[in-house]
Amino acid sequence: DAKTTQPNSMESNEEEPVHLPCNHSTISGTDYIHWYRQLPSQGPEYVIHGLTSNVNNRMASLAIAEDRKSSTLILHRATLRDAAVYYCILRDYNYNQGGKLIFGQGTELSVKP
Amino acid sequence: DTAVSQTPKYLVTQMGNDKSIKCEQNLGHDTMYWYKQDSKKFLKIMFSYNNKELIINETVPNRFSPKSPDKAHLNLHINSLELGDSAVYFCASSQTSGGTGELFFGEGSRLTVL
Repeated sequence: DAKTTQPNSMESNEEEPVHLPCNHSTISGTDYIHWYRQLPSQGPEYVIHGLTSNVNNRMASLAIAEDRKSSTLILHRATLRDAAVYYCILRDYNYNQGGKLIFGQGTELSVKP
Repeated sequence: DTAVSQTPKYLVTQMGNDKSIKCEQNLGHDTMYWYKQDSKKFLKIMFSYNNKELIINETVPNRFSPKSPDKAHLNLHINSLELGDSAVYFCASSQTSGGTGELFFGEGSRLTVL
Protein backbone atom coordinates (compact mmCIF):
# COMPACT_ATOMS: atom_id res chain seq x y z
CA ASP A 1 0.00 0.00 0.00
CA ALA A 2 1.34 3.39 -0.95
CA LYS A 3 2.25 5.51 2.06
CA THR A 4 2.00 9.16 2.97
CA THR A 5 4.10 11.31 5.30
CA GLN A 6 2.64 14.22 7.23
CA PRO A 7 3.88 16.41 10.08
CA ASN A 8 2.65 15.17 13.45
CA SER A 9 1.16 18.50 14.43
CA MET A 10 0.62 22.07 13.28
CA GLU A 11 -0.70 25.21 14.85
CA SER A 12 -2.73 27.96 13.30
CA ASN A 13 -4.40 31.19 14.33
CA GLU A 14 -8.10 31.60 13.87
CA GLU A 15 -9.15 33.22 10.59
CA GLU A 16 -5.75 32.67 9.01
CA PRO A 17 -5.05 30.26 6.14
CA VAL A 18 -3.56 26.87 6.92
CA HIS A 19 -1.44 24.78 4.58
CA LEU A 20 -1.20 21.12 5.54
CA PRO A 21 1.52 19.28 3.58
CA CYS A 22 1.65 15.64 2.59
CA ASN A 23 4.40 13.66 0.85
CA HIS A 24 3.55 10.58 -1.17
CA SER A 25 6.62 9.81 -3.25
CA THR A 26 5.53 6.23 -4.05
CA ILE A 27 2.14 7.22 -5.47
CA SER A 28 1.00 5.07 -8.40
CA GLY A 29 -0.97 6.07 -11.46
CA THR A 30 -4.20 4.61 -10.08
CA ASP A 31 -4.01 6.38 -6.72
CA TYR A 32 -6.26 9.28 -5.91
CA ILE A 33 -5.21 11.64 -3.12
CA HIS A 34 -7.89 11.84 -0.45
CA TRP A 35 -8.07 13.99 2.66
CA TYR A 36 -10.18 13.16 5.66
CA ARG A 37 -10.34 14.77 9.05
CA GLN A 38 -11.35 13.50 12.45
CA LEU A 39 -12.81 15.93 14.93
CA PRO A 40 -12.48 14.99 18.62
CA SER A 41 -14.70 12.05 19.60
CA GLN A 42 -16.13 11.70 16.09
CA GLY A 43 -15.65 9.46 13.10
CA PRO A 44 -13.49 10.61 10.20
CA GLU A 45 -15.16 12.83 7.63
CA TYR A 46 -14.33 13.39 4.00
CA VAL A 47 -12.71 16.70 3.08
CA ILE A 48 -11.57 16.57 -0.53
CA HIS A 49 -9.87 14.41 -3.14
CA GLY A 50 -8.03 14.81 -6.42
CA LEU A 51 -5.96 13.03 -9.03
CA THR A 52 -3.75 15.52 -10.87
CA SER A 53 -5.39 18.93 -10.98
CA ASN A 54 -5.98 21.28 -8.09
CA VAL A 55 -9.44 20.97 -6.57
CA ASN A 56 -11.69 23.30 -4.61
CA ASN A 57 -14.81 22.65 -2.60
CA ARG A 58 -16.71 24.43 0.14
CA MET A 59 -14.45 23.01 2.84
CA ALA A 60 -10.96 23.36 1.40
CA SER A 61 -8.64 23.41 -1.58
CA LEU A 62 -6.22 20.71 -2.64
CA ALA A 63 -3.02 21.65 -4.42
CA ILE A 64 -1.26 18.72 -6.11
CA ALA A 65 2.36 18.90 -7.26
CA GLU A 66 3.00 18.36 -10.95
CA ASP A 67 4.83 15.08 -10.29
CA ARG A 68 2.07 14.06 -7.83
CA LYS A 69 4.63 13.20 -5.16
CA SER A 70 3.24 15.75 -2.76
CA SER A 71 0.08 17.68 -2.07
CA THR A 72 -1.15 20.43 0.22
CA LEU A 73 -4.54 20.82 1.83
CA ILE A 74 -5.47 24.47 2.20
CA LEU A 75 -8.02 25.74 4.69
CA HIS A 76 -8.59 29.32 3.62
CA ARG A 77 -9.71 30.70 6.97
CA ALA A 78 -9.22 28.41 9.94
CA THR A 79 -11.93 28.38 12.57
CA LEU A 80 -11.89 26.77 16.00
CA ARG A 81 -14.12 24.05 14.53
CA ASP A 82 -11.32 23.05 12.16
CA ALA A 83 -9.19 21.73 15.04
CA ALA A 84 -8.87 18.05 14.15
CA VAL A 85 -6.53 15.34 12.92
CA TYR A 86 -6.15 15.62 9.14
CA TYR A 87 -5.32 12.47 7.20
CA CYS A 88 -3.80 12.41 3.74
CA ILE A 89 -4.59 9.05 2.12
CA LEU A 90 -3.86 7.43 -1.20
CA ARG A 91 -6.81 5.43 -2.46
CA ASP A 92 -6.51 3.06 -5.36
CA TYR A 93 -9.56 3.46 -7.54
CA ASN A 94 -9.45 -0.09 -8.83
CA TYR A 95 -12.41 -2.10 -7.68
CA ASN A 96 -10.24 -5.07 -6.81
CA GLN A 97 -8.71 -3.08 -3.95
CA GLY A 98 -11.99 -3.11 -2.10
CA GLY A 99 -12.26 0.64 -1.71
CA LYS A 100 -10.30 0.67 1.52
CA LEU A 101 -8.63 3.75 2.94
CA ILE A 102 -5.24 3.23 4.58
CA PHE A 103 -4.87 5.83 7.32
CA GLY A 104 -1.47 7.10 8.43
CA GLN A 105 -0.74 9.05 11.59
CA GLY A 106 -2.22 12.30 10.28
CA THR A 107 -1.52 15.89 11.31
CA GLU A 108 -3.10 17.20 14.46
CA LEU A 109 -4.14 20.77 13.76
CA SER A 110 -4.74 23.10 16.66
CA VAL A 111 -6.34 26.51 16.10
CA LYS A 112 -5.70 29.38 18.49
CA PRO A 113 -8.31 32.12 19.01
CA ASP B 1 -31.40 11.41 9.95
CA THR B 2 -28.03 9.79 10.70
CA ALA B 3 -26.40 8.36 7.57
CA VAL B 4 -24.30 5.68 9.29
CA SER B 5 -25.42 4.70 12.75
CA GLN B 6 -23.76 2.33 15.18
CA THR B 7 -25.03 0.78 18.39
CA PRO B 8 -24.06 0.73 21.11
CA LYS B 9 -21.96 3.85 21.43
CA TYR B 10 -20.26 2.55 24.57
CA LEU B 11 -19.69 -1.02 25.67
CA VAL B 12 -17.92 -2.14 28.83
CA THR B 13 -17.48 -5.85 29.35
CA GLN B 14 -15.30 -8.51 30.96
CA MET B 15 -12.58 -10.53 29.29
CA GLY B 16 -13.87 -13.73 27.77
CA ASN B 17 -17.36 -12.39 27.01
CA ASP B 18 -18.94 -12.25 23.55
CA LYS B 19 -20.34 -8.96 22.26
CA SER B 20 -21.80 -7.48 19.10
CA ILE B 21 -21.80 -4.02 17.54
CA LYS B 22 -24.43 -3.17 14.98
CA CYS B 23 -24.15 -0.81 12.03
CA GLU B 24 -26.78 0.49 9.63
CA GLN B 25 -26.50 2.91 6.72
CA ASN B 26 -29.43 4.64 5.04
CA LEU B 27 -27.46 5.99 2.07
CA GLY B 28 -28.22 3.14 -0.30
CA HIS B 29 -24.51 2.31 -0.52
CA ASP B 30 -23.21 -1.04 -1.71
CA THR B 31 -20.01 -1.22 0.37
CA MET B 32 -19.55 -1.20 4.13
CA TYR B 33 -16.46 -1.36 6.33
CA TRP B 34 -15.28 -1.88 9.87
CA TYR B 35 -12.29 0.08 11.15
CA LYS B 36 -10.55 -0.17 14.52
CA GLN B 37 -8.91 2.82 16.23
CA ASP B 38 -6.61 1.82 19.04
CA SER B 39 -5.34 3.85 21.98
CA LYS B 40 -2.59 5.33 19.82
CA LYS B 41 -5.29 6.65 17.51
CA PHE B 42 -4.26 4.58 14.50
CA LEU B 43 -7.23 3.75 12.28
CA LYS B 44 -6.92 0.32 10.72
CA ILE B 45 -9.31 -1.37 8.34
CA MET B 46 -10.63 -4.73 9.48
CA PHE B 47 -13.26 -5.79 6.94
CA SER B 48 -14.99 -4.61 3.82
CA TYR B 49 -18.24 -5.96 2.41
CA ASN B 50 -19.73 -5.28 -0.99
CA ASN B 51 -23.37 -6.23 -1.52
CA LYS B 52 -23.26 -8.55 1.50
CA GLU B 53 -20.09 -10.30 0.34
CA LEU B 54 -16.77 -10.11 2.15
CA ILE B 55 -14.13 -8.50 -0.04
CA ILE B 56 -11.47 -7.49 2.47
CA ASN B 57 -10.35 -9.31 5.60
CA GLU B 58 -7.21 -7.68 6.92
CA THR B 59 -5.83 -10.65 8.89
CA VAL B 60 -8.20 -10.08 11.75
CA PRO B 61 -8.37 -12.90 14.36
CA ASN B 62 -11.13 -15.46 13.87
CA ARG B 63 -12.75 -14.22 17.08
CA PHE B 64 -14.05 -11.32 14.99
CA SER B 65 -16.92 -12.30 12.72
CA PRO B 66 -18.67 -9.72 10.60
CA LYS B 67 -22.14 -10.42 9.27
CA SER B 68 -24.06 -8.57 6.62
CA PRO B 69 -27.72 -9.62 6.55
CA ASP B 70 -28.40 -7.09 3.79
CA LYS B 71 -26.40 -4.36 2.14
CA ALA B 72 -27.63 -1.72 4.59
CA HIS B 73 -26.33 -3.57 7.65
CA LEU B 74 -22.93 -4.79 8.75
CA ASN B 75 -22.64 -6.17 12.25
CA LEU B 76 -19.49 -7.12 14.11
CA HIS B 77 -19.50 -10.00 16.58
CA ILE B 78 -16.51 -10.56 18.82
CA ASN B 79 -16.00 -13.81 20.72
CA SER B 80 -13.83 -14.37 23.79
CA LEU B 81 -12.96 -10.72 24.24
CA GLU B 82 -9.39 -9.86 25.18
CA LEU B 83 -7.90 -6.75 26.78
CA GLY B 84 -6.30 -5.82 23.46
CA ASP B 85 -9.72 -5.58 21.83
CA SER B 86 -10.37 -2.37 23.74
CA ALA B 87 -10.67 0.30 21.07
CA VAL B 88 -13.10 2.46 19.19
CA TYR B 89 -14.72 0.61 16.29
CA PHE B 90 -15.96 2.64 13.34
CA CYS B 91 -18.37 1.49 10.71
CA ALA B 92 -18.31 3.20 7.31
CA SER B 93 -19.99 2.93 3.94
CA SER B 94 -19.31 4.02 0.38
CA GLN B 95 -21.33 3.86 -2.80
CA THR B 96 -19.05 1.26 -4.37
CA SER B 97 -15.89 -0.65 -3.54
CA GLY B 98 -13.82 1.25 -6.06
CA GLY B 99 -13.69 4.53 -7.82
CA THR B 100 -13.32 7.77 -5.97
CA GLY B 101 -16.40 7.89 -3.79
CA GLU B 102 -16.04 9.09 -0.26
CA LEU B 103 -16.50 6.97 2.81
CA PHE B 104 -19.09 7.98 5.36
CA PHE B 105 -18.22 7.02 8.91
CA GLY B 106 -20.38 6.41 11.94
CA GLU B 107 -19.64 8.03 15.27
CA GLY B 108 -17.88 4.99 16.63
CA SER B 109 -18.46 2.39 19.32
CA ARG B 110 -16.04 2.52 22.24
CA LEU B 111 -15.38 -0.97 23.56
CA THR B 112 -13.67 -1.36 26.92
CA VAL B 113 -12.62 -4.84 28.01
CA LEU B 114 -11.84 -5.22 31.73
